[in-house]
Amino acid sequence: KAGVTQTPRYLIKTRGQQVTLSCSPISGHRSVSWYQQTPGQGLQFLFEYFSETQRNKGNFPGRFSGRQFSNSRSEMNVSTLELGDSALYLCASSLEGTGVNTIYFGEGSWLTVV
Amino acid sequence: AQSVTQLGSHVSVSEGALVLLRCNYSSSVPPYLFWYVQYPNQGLQLLLKYTSAATLVKGINGFEAEFKKSETSFHLTKPSAHMSDAAEYFCAVSEGANAGKSTFGDGTTLTVKP
Repeated sequence: KAGVTQTPRYLIKTRGQQVTLSCSPISGHRSVSWYQQTPGQGLQFLFEYFSETQRNKGNFPGRFSGRQFSNSRSEMNVSTLELGDSALYLCASSLEGTGVNTIYFGEGSWLTVV
Repeated sequence: AQSVTQLGSHVSVSEGALVLLRCNYSSSVPPYLFWYVQYPNQGLQLLLKYTSAATLVKGINGFEAEFKKSETSFHLTKPSAHMSDAAEYFCAVSEGANAGKSTFGDGTTLTVKP
């Protein structure tokens, strides 16, 4: 079974540009979460989608947005990029069920803003 | 609000020695707790999770963690360190059974000396 796939793995953008990152969850998983990882702030929750609806949102400015498609694939978009947006963006998917779900992370998308 | 504190950003042990990584949590509701490992340039992988079924939780790669409510702790241990254990370890707490929205600690980098 394929794992969580994130594309692109590495990208460089210029301040003021926008970027779209993609995440394909494990087959059958309908929940997708996004996290930002930086050396200074650590891992921070961005948002979570379930069945095409945003279920939870972290404390990030409106420049950060996301969506989920009917096939559970998800995208996140960052507009008007700032230098501080340079980070590893991690996507995680999970299978909803009884008990505590286990989330599976992708390898991440490394974003550098110059 | 929930939070996690990992004591010690860097831990160094000799190969074959005991590994102890400390995690304390704060939660207004019974917590669900997790330990993840991250190898360089990779996403996070779940080591183990506490779901209130048992206070001593066994995970992959010989790791285990004990939930102590009186101490609000969930320390990770491994009896004998291996070189391949060198990585960054994250403790996390989730809101309810949905691990998709988790709060992570700052991480502990484990170095294993030959």
